[in-house]
Amino acid sequence: TQLLEQSPQFLSIQEGENLTVYCNSSSVFSSLQWYRQEPGEGPVLLVTVVTGGEVKKLKRLTFQFGDARKDSSLHITAAQTGDTGLYLCAGVGRGSNYKLTFGKGTLLTVNP
Amino acid sequence: GAGVSQSPSNKVTEKGKDVELRCDPISGHTALYWYRQSLGQGLEFLIYFQGNSAPDKSGLPSDRFSAERTGGSVSTLTIQRTQQEDSAVYLCASSLGPPGQRYEQYFGPGTRLTVT
Repeated sequence: TQLLEQSPQFLSIQEGENLTVYCNSSSVFSSLQWYRQEPGEGPVLLVTVVTGGEVKKLKRLTFQFGDARKDSSLHITAAQTGDTGLYLCAGVGRGSNYKLTFGKGTLLTVNP
Repeated sequence: GAGVSQSPSNKVTEKGKDVELRCDPISGHTALYWYRQSLGQGLEFLIYFQGNSAPDKSGLPSDRFSAERTGGSVSTLTIQRTQQEDSAVYLCASSLGPPGQRYEQYFGPGTRLTVT
């Protein structure tokens, strides 16, 4: 069974601060996705990383896929209150090209 | 709206009753997925449809759970003889083509099921 561990589980910071969320596994994934979920809504895809060592930037968000394709990180620069939400990482296993394995998520609260 | 829709948005039922949850995927999306999201467990895969067929039902937790899809569109997840541990948010997602990293899964808002 492939598992994804996310840390931290909860994060409360002030507006303007930087933060990093981690997603780790002992398994290799063919790709890894990051989602953001707001209360009462489904997750929305932010990015997909495919190549080991890949770095993708989405405005103030930077996503990195580990060289071994077992881990990933999400870094937010100068957090804003609108960044508040549940951040989920999800891996696509090498043996299955559709089944997403989700981490339990990081609940981020950005305070004004 | 052009997104995935689910109904009802909230469902409260008594233990032992059957419930049906509905998912309307984005028009033209051939793949449809059901997930369950509960506190402390994260998002768990339940079942995947390609067209009307379900090649992977491995995530269904027990034989009380079943799902069908008709006309390559609407899907219904049925839970028989509900138990309190079935309380969760049930999410449906659809994607344009055959599954894979190239095809983004679009999620609906979910149905919050509470079993009393």
